[in-house]
Amino acid sequence: DTAVSQTPKYLVTQMGNDKSIKCEQNLGHDTMYWYKQDSKKFLKIMFSYNNKELIINETVPNRFSPKSPDKAHLNLHINSLELGDSAVYFCASSQDARTDTQYFGPGTRLTVL
Amino acid sequence: QKEVEQDPGPLSVPEGAIVSLNCTYSNSAFQYFMWYRQYSRKGPELLMYTYSSGNKEDGRFTAQVDKSSKYISLFIRDSQPSDSATYLCASPSSTGKLIFGQGTTLQVKP
Repeated sequence: DTAVSQTPKYLVTQMGNDKSIKCEQNLGHDTMYWYKQDSKKFLKIMFSYNNKELIINETVPNRFSPKSPDKAHLNLHINSLELGDSAVYFCASSQDARTDTQYFGPGTRLTVL
Repeated sequence: QKEVEQDPGPLSVPEGAIVSLNCTYSNSAFQYFMWYRQYSRKGPELLMYTYSSGNKEDGRFTAQVDKSSKYISLFIRDSQPSDSATYLCASPSSTGKLIFGQGTTLQVKP
């Protein structure tokens, strides 16, 4: 009974390619997030959606585009991948935008060659 | 200066030791503090949550907040090899973002 799931778990691709990462939560939460964790384990928020609406959009290149088809899903599409995009991407969810307890998915390890 | 700072370690201790993990923060507006634990190749999971100065205890874990010095600590008593993980402190900003420290990697050796 995975609460927050992500696919794929690993993604290895060439520079310049376009890729997507999918996230689903079965907790009934209203708010979902995308985080990037770099090689030094620094975890930084990229986007947040509340009930399919974008509420946090950090300074992230336009090549990153989140999409939330419904409140249980938040996908991340990345265009023209660059070497610096290599990281672990975590999806998370919380009850609502005012609840601080966030539940994280297992992460997607992206390697750009 | 990052809003939440941690020494990344690694910190290596023998089994049974008392572990002290620390964070400092710069934003006086931070009111709530959390500790997340992240095992290797896994997502972070919430370990403890505090919203005031003082101590909060949960089993072998004690979270301490000193707002006057902007210092957050997590103590682990009788540490076990299963405690080996990266520990991240975090606080929600006024805009609703969770601001994480870099995390401290702990290894408890049997």
